[in-house]
Amino acid sequence: DQQVKQNSPSLSVQEGRISILNCDYTNSMFDYFLWYKKYPAEGPTFLISISSIKDKNEDGRFTVFLNKSAKHLSLHIVPSQPGDSAVYFCAASTMNTGFQKLVFGTGTRLLVSP
Amino acid sequence: KAGVTQTPRYLIKTRGQQVTLSCSPISGHRSVSWYQQTPGQGLQFLFEYFSETQRNKGNFPGRFSGRQFSNSRSEMNVSTLELGDSALYLCASSEDPSGNTIYFGEGSWLTVV
Repeated sequence: DQQVKQNSPSLSVQEGRISILNCDYTNSMFDYFLWYKKYPAEGPTFLISISSIKDKNEDGRFTVFLNKSAKHLSLHIVPSQPGDSAVYFCAASTMNTGFQKLVFGTGTRLLVSP
Repeated sequence: KAGVTQTPRYLIKTRGQQVTLSCSPISGHRSVSWYQQTPGQGLQFLFEYFSETQRNKGNFPGRFSGRQFSNSRSEMNVSTLELGDSALYLCASSEDPSGNTIYFGEGSWLTVV
């Protein structure tokens, strides 16, 4: 049972444009969401997070939006840069089972072309 | 501040052997968790330790075990290795109790032949 889903395995965007990565979840107990960027054979790098009490969080070029009623979150990268090319994972956790127990989506490979 | 450090980075083992992986968390972080990443299953939670106690466990067989030391460093062990255990094993740390952001190490890449 995939509790966190990233339905787009890949996304191609031109440099300077907006990248929008989507994530859906099924477990209504999730109350904390994170986005990670990952290169092959390396550990995920934390990008940005959002608590369920918010609907938006911004950090530089990265903005995460949370729609609790739709159980959907998205990561916006503006403007996209070639260095953003990587696999992006969304992850969710709940205070009930411990914030350290992350449930990951399957990832979306982003390719930003010059 | 140094990040999460994992050793070894790469290793090859034979089926039936056992392996121990080591993790040093970010200074001041007392929670250490372990994840397995495989192409087929993605990133999956193994277990989490805090104050030398396992607080949380994922759905892995008993061949996977871990421990945490008083300095928060952690080790995980896999016994009777199977080919399917080939994976990237990731250690992560967080502050606790407010640590709801998890920081990952570079990982240990295990190949079982």
